[in-house]
Amino acid sequence: DARVTQTPRHKVTEMGQEVTMRCQPILGHNTVFWYRQTMMQGLELLAYFRNRAPLDDSGMPKDRFSAEMPDATLATLKIQPSEPRDSAVYFCASAGGQAYNEQFFGPGTRLTVL
Amino acid sequence: GDSVTQMEGPVTLSEEAFLTINCTYTATGYPSLFWYVQYPGEGLQLLLKATKADDKGSNKGFEATYRKETTSFHLEKGSVQVSDSAVYFCALSANTGGFKTIFGAGTRLFVKA
Repeated sequence: DARVTQTPRHKVTEMGQEVTMRCQPILGHNTVFWYRQTMMQGLELLAYFRNRAPLDDSGMPKDRFSAEMPDATLATLKIQPSEPRDSAVYFCASAGGQAYNEQFFGPGTRLTVL
Repeated sequence: GDSVTQMEGPVTLSEEAFLTINCTYTATGYPSLFWYVQYPGEGLQLLLKATKADDKGSNKGFEATYRKETTSFHLEKGSVQVSDSAVYFCALSANTGGFKTIFGAGTRLFVKA
């Protein structure tokens, strides 16, 4: 059963610390998305990659957020330095193959910045 | 730009009641339309989809018909269960191979026993 995996599932950190979230897309999927979900803003697209190249990161605060795909099996989202307003659930999703425009979401990383 | 508008929640129903969640869209061209569902503590998952006008997507008793003339994709279920309590997202994706999906704001459904 192919799934998107995300680690860690929960992260509590203090303001100013670096946070790294990881995502393993479904094998064979060539598109990876990062989303942030909060009660106030709902689901926001932060960035997405095609064949490991960034296509759109306009939703991401550039000064503190960065997203990369070091290889086809790993996507990372970093926040440095973290702030309390970054507290949210961060989702990774992947797409590709036959179900070309269906997105498969991971379980999310719940981030709390104190 | 493309957009999706869905009815605000929360929607509260009794078990076995009929469900409708309205969704309308704005898009250039002929997008694919989706309903995703998010259960508590989980990521979104695809519930159903339709890729062209007049197509009906269906899954787990839920249905939605792609209506190009009214630019709508309303979600319906004839008899809801407590286990259907979740947040439902209407979404569209342009059929240009981009995979980027525009999501609605989500509608929270509570079903009471």
